[in-house]
Amino acid sequence: DMKVTQMPRYLIKRMGENVLLECGQDMSHETMYWYRQDPGLGLQLIYISYDVDSNSEGDIPKGYRVSRKKREHFSLILDSAKTNQTSVYFCASSLPGISGNTLYFGEGSRLIVV
Amino acid sequence: GDSVTQTEGPVTVSESESLIINCTYSATSIAYPNLFWYVRYPGEGLQLLLKVITAGQKGSSRGFEATYNKETTSFHLQKASVQESDSAVYYCALGDPNTGYQNFYFGKGTSLTVIP
Repeated sequence: DMKVTQMPRYLIKRMGENVLLECGQDMSHETMYWYRQDPGLGLQLIYISYDVDSNSEGDIPKGYRVSRKKREHFSLILDSAKTNQTSVYFCASSLPGISGNTLYFGEGSRLIVV
Repeated sequence: GDSVTQTEGPVTVSESESLIINCTYSATSIAYPNLFWYVRYPGEGLQLLLKVITAGQKGSSRGFEATYNKETTSFHLQKASVQESDSAVYYCALGDPNTGYQNFYFGKGTSLTVIP
C-alpha cells in the first residue's frame, strides 16, 4: 500500500526553539516535497528533493532547511522557529509515469509556534 | 506566470444537489500542462481525485468529473448529485511534465460542506 507518513502530527513549540518534521514513504519515489498550507493561500512549496542529497529551494525556503540522507526519508528543519511559521506542513512524494506525475501526500503536521 | 485560480469558499450545498467548482489556469511557460483535482477530507492528507493530461479529455472519479478545456484554460469540477461524504476541501492543480520532476501549482482550495 502506497503511503506517506508524517511525524509528528501535532506540535507546539516556543519561538526560538528548533523544530524537526519527518516524512517517510514506502514507494521508493525519487522526488519528495515539503509544502505549507495556510488559510487563503493554498499550498506553497518550501523545498523539493530529487533524490538523496539533491535538494532545491521552492518558493518559500527562507527559515527552513531540509535533509535527505535516505531515499525514503525527507526531513524539514526549522532552526529557531518563528510565530509566522505556524502552519500545516505537508510532505509529498511523486510518482512519474506516462500518464503524468502524481503526488502522494502525507496527512500533514500541524505546527503552532507560540 | 503559471498559476491556478479556483472558486473561493466556503461552498455549502444540500445533499443531492449539483455542484460545480470553477478552476482556471495560466500556463505561460508550460507547453502541455497536466491538470489535477486533489481532495482533502477532514483529518486526512490530500489525495488525488482525478487527473487529465491531454487537452479535450475528461477525467472522472467517485461521481466527479472535469474536462480539460485548453481554449478557455479551465478545468471545472462537477458532480450531478453530491453526498454528505463529499464534504472536504478541493484543490485544483497544474503540473508541468516537461520539468522532469514536475513542478506543481495549486489553487487556494475550496471548502465544500454538504448538508443533509
